[in-house]
Amino acid sequence: GQNIDQPTEMTATEGAIVQINCTYQTSGFNGLFWYQQHAGEAPTFLSYNVLDGLEEKGRFSSFLSRSKGYSYLLLKELQMKDSASYLCAVRMSKGGYQKVTFGTGTKLQVIP
Amino acid sequence: KAGVTQTPRYLIKTRGQQVTLSCSPISGHRSVSWYQQTPGQGLQFLFEYFSETQRNKGNFPGRFSGRQFSNSRSEMNVSTLELGDSALYLCASSLFASGTKGAYEQYFGPGTRLTVT
Repeated sequence: GQNIDQPTEMTATEGAIVQINCTYQTSGFNGLFWYQQHAGEAPTFLSYNVLDGLEEKGRFSSFLSRSKGYSYLLLKELQMKDSASYLCAVRMSKGGYQKVTFGTGTKLQVIP
Repeated sequence: KAGVTQTPRYLIKTRGQQVTLSCSPISGHRSVSWYQQTPGQGLQFLFEYFSETQRNKGNFPGRFSGRQFSNSRSEMNVSTLELGDSALYLCASSLFASGTKGAYEQYFGPGTRLTVT
């Protein structure tokens, strides 16, 4: 199956920068998503990377290295409202189908 | 523009019954994906529909099925319910299922929380 690894929990200080890493198996890779999910709410789309490099969107940036099977989500100028789970998901091709596999998520706690 | 809507929001069923969940995508979105979320397994992909056809699917048994209508609305059906089917079922819509980057921006509905007793 598709193993997606990301840290279970992270803690960072308000105003700081935090990087959440995600590694995955490269076979059949067809794109990588990052989602934010607050407790009790549905996930919110943050980014989609299909090519190598850094994509910046406001305080959030996402990086992808396809050859290394590696991505990270960078959150700058952390705010208390950024406390949430961050889900890494990979779109992959297998057996003529494409499927999306999610990591278990990184629970980020932002402290004052 | 209205977001993704799902009905019902909560549902309680007993083992062996079947259930149908409904999802209305954002207007203009043609792709609908379904996910199951549980505390133990996290978020798992069920299937994706585009133009009334199932284009992609995850690793779920045949008891899980779905369909999409010409107006892009989608339904998901689970037959012969098991206790382990208790979960939050999420629907997400996107503009279209192609290789274009923007097409894959998915917007999730609030989910249907299914409890099987």
